[in-house]
Amino acid sequence: QKEVEQNSGPLSVPEGAIASLNCTYSDRGSQSFFWYRQYSGKSPELIMFIYSNGDKEDGRFTAQLNKASQYVSLLIRDSQPSDSATYLCAVKVGSYQLTFGKGTKLSVIP
Amino acid sequence: EAQVTQNPRYLITVTGKKLTVTCSQNMNHEYMSWYRQDPGLGLRQIYYSMNVEVTDKGDVPEGYKVSRKEKRNFPLILESPSPNQTSLYFCASSSTSGGTNEQFFGPGTRLTVL
Repeated sequence: QKEVEQNSGPLSVPEGAIASLNCTYSDRGSQSFFWYRQYSGKSPELIMFIYSNGDKEDGRFTAQLNKASQYVSLLIRDSQPSDSATYLCAVKVGSYQLTFGKGTKLSVIP
Repeated sequence: EAQVTQNPRYLITVTGKKLTVTCSQNMNHEYMSWYRQDPGLGLRQIYYSMNVEVTDKGDVPEGYKVSRKEKRNFPLILESPSPNQTSLYFCASSSTSGGTNEQFFGPGTRLTVL
C-alpha cells in the first residue's frame, strides 16, 4: 500500500510568519507531487506541483522536494488569515492516480 | 467555464434505497475519479476511469458501482446504501495528454444514509 503521511495539526502560525507543511511518502518510484488547499466544506484546489528535486517558488508559496529522503514540503511566506485551510499532499501513483495524505490543518492567527 | 459538476450536492436517504450521484465535466478529460472524504481518513479513491468504457477499482470500492458510457459523465451508484457510506463525495477529472495532469474537483456531494 503506497502511503502519504502528513502531520494532522492543527498548525497555528501568526499572521506574517512562515508556515511550513511537511509530507513523506513511501513509494520511492513516485515522480510527481502536488499540494492542494481545501477550505472547510469546499473541494480541494491545486496550489503547487513539483517534479524535480529542489525548490519551486510561486508567489508566496515554495514547494520543496527531496526524493532521496522521500520528503516534500510546502512553505507559505507572509501567512495571511485567508491561508487558513487544510493542505493536502498528493503523490502520483501509476499513470494518473493520486494518493492523498490526510491533510494538515493550518490556522493563521491575526 | 471549465468545471466539474456533481448532483445532488446534499442527499439524505435511508438504508437500502438505491441512489445515483452524477458527475459531469466539460473539459474533454479522459480520466475521471470518485473519492470519499471522512474525518481522520482523508481522501480515498473509490473508482476511476481512464476513458469511455474503461473503469477500475480504487482503494475502497466495496458497495459502489460506476459506469462510463460517455466521456463527460461518470456516475457513482450505490445500489444498497448503508450508514457507513455516509460521507462527503468528490468527483475529479484530469487530462491524460501531457501537462501536469492536474485533477480538477467537483463541489462535493454530502451524503447521509440513515
